[in-house]
Amino acid sequence: DVVMTQSPLSLPVTLGQPASISCRSSQSLVYSDGNTYLNWFQQRPGQSPRRLIYKVSNRDSGVPDRFSGSGSGTDFTLKISRVEAEDVGVYYCMQGTHLPRTFGQGTKVEIK
Amino acid sequence: EVRLLESGGGLVQPGGSLRLSCAASGFTFSSYAMSWVRQAPGKGLAWVSSISGIDGGTYYADSVKGRFTISRDNSRNTLFLQMNSLSVEDAAVYYCARHLYGDVEAWGQGTLVTVSS
Repeated sequence: DVVMTQSPLSLPVTLGQPASISCRSSQSLVYSDGNTYLNWFQQRPGQSPRRLIYKVSNRDSGVPDRFSGSGSGTDFTLKISRVEAEDVGVYYCMQGTHLPRTFGQGTKVEIK
Repeated sequence: EVRLLESGGGLVQPGGSLRLSCAASGFTFSSYAMSWVRQAPGKGLAWVSSISGIDGGTYYADSVKGRFTISRDNSRNTLFLQMNSLSVEDAAVYYCARHLYGDVEAWGQGTLVTVSS
């Protein structure tokens, strides 16, 4: 199975400041069709997960543009340009290139 | 608006069975692949199973292969997960999710499965 490793696992941030989460995969996530199926999800306290980013860098509909995804191969990053109070929660990366699909451990974002 | 409403969770004894359902609305259900993802209490997310929207092909995590069966009824816009031989390790909130652009996108609110004697 592809292991997804996130860092840090806990991220205290100041409102209005940037935040960055790293996700590394144990194998390349480039699929045979040329796409890289790396997704980012946000799970606010008490809520279901919500996808923010698909195929590395594409924002889902309704996702604020302060969220951005980047990376390639085995190394990926989610950035929040200016953290807002509503961004508190746990963030997961997930790969959909290889079966079984696998998630990172999650990064808990909290306000300092 | 995409809506996914899971049901069928509850308390079951080890070795027992449950059938989860996910009622979909707001989109053409038959055109989309669907998945089940679970989350044990206080833990992270774990993919369980997926089913194609086109040919009905099914895929399972090793931990549930041979015990769980995913299926869909496109005439009723409903996704199912038949869970047999349940163990305490299967206790979790089970989410159904729709795929878009290659992977899980929209999620339901989840249904809680508790396995205990």
